[in-house]
Amino acid sequence: DAGVTQSPTHLIKTRGQQVTLRCSPKSGHDTVSWYQQALGQGPQFIFQYYEEEERQRGNFPDRFSGHQFPNYSSELNVNALLLGDSALYLCASSLMESGGYTFGSGTRLTVV
Amino acid sequence: AQSVTQPDIHITVSEGASLELRCNYSYGATPYLFWYVQSPGQGLQLLLKYFSGDTLVQGIKGFEAEFKRSQSSFNLRKPSVHWSDAAEYFCAVVNFMDTGRRALTFGSGTRLQVQP
Repeated sequence: DAGVTQSPTHLIKTRGQQVTLRCSPKSGHDTVSWYQQALGQGPQFIFQYYEEEERQRGNFPDRFSGHQFPNYSSELNVNALLLGDSALYLCASSLMESGGYTFGSGTRLTVV
Repeated sequence: AQSVTQPDIHITVSEGASLELRCNYSYGATPYLFWYVQSPGQGLQLLLKYFSGDTLVQGIKGFEAEFKRSQSSFNLRKPSVHWSDAAEYFCAVVNFMDTGRRALTFGSGTRLQVQP
């Protein structure tokens, strides 16, 4: 049973560019959440998608946007990249009505 | 707003010694509590979780945690540490009773180093 799959694993972008990260949830899960983890810190919640809608959002600017598809997979888009956006981006899937979040291995984004 | 505090940034123990990692949370209701482990450059692996019931929770890899409501704590323990336990450990909380607040809130983590 495949867990949460994220792609790509590593990415290098230039300041001002745009990036798209992808996440396939664990089989049977219907909810996808995205987290940003800066070096040496705990993950910070970006947003959560359920039934193809953004249900919750953390304290992140509108440059961060997302999407959930009918098959529950999700994308995270970041526009106008800043150096400070360099981080490990983690995707977590879950069932909306229960606990138990499963995390992917993350995408390491470096902005130069 | 809910918050999680892990007061120990870095802990070093000898292999075979016991371990306790501290976690305190701030939240009005009974939260759902989690401990995750992260190896360098990797994602998060769930060690254990507490939703309700017995306040002593058993997890994977020989870890356990005890929920103490009076102290707002959820400390992680292991009786005998192995070299492979060296990693970053995160405590997290979420309130499933509040449909608008189902995101995990993480502590800043504790880095565990194991000496041979």
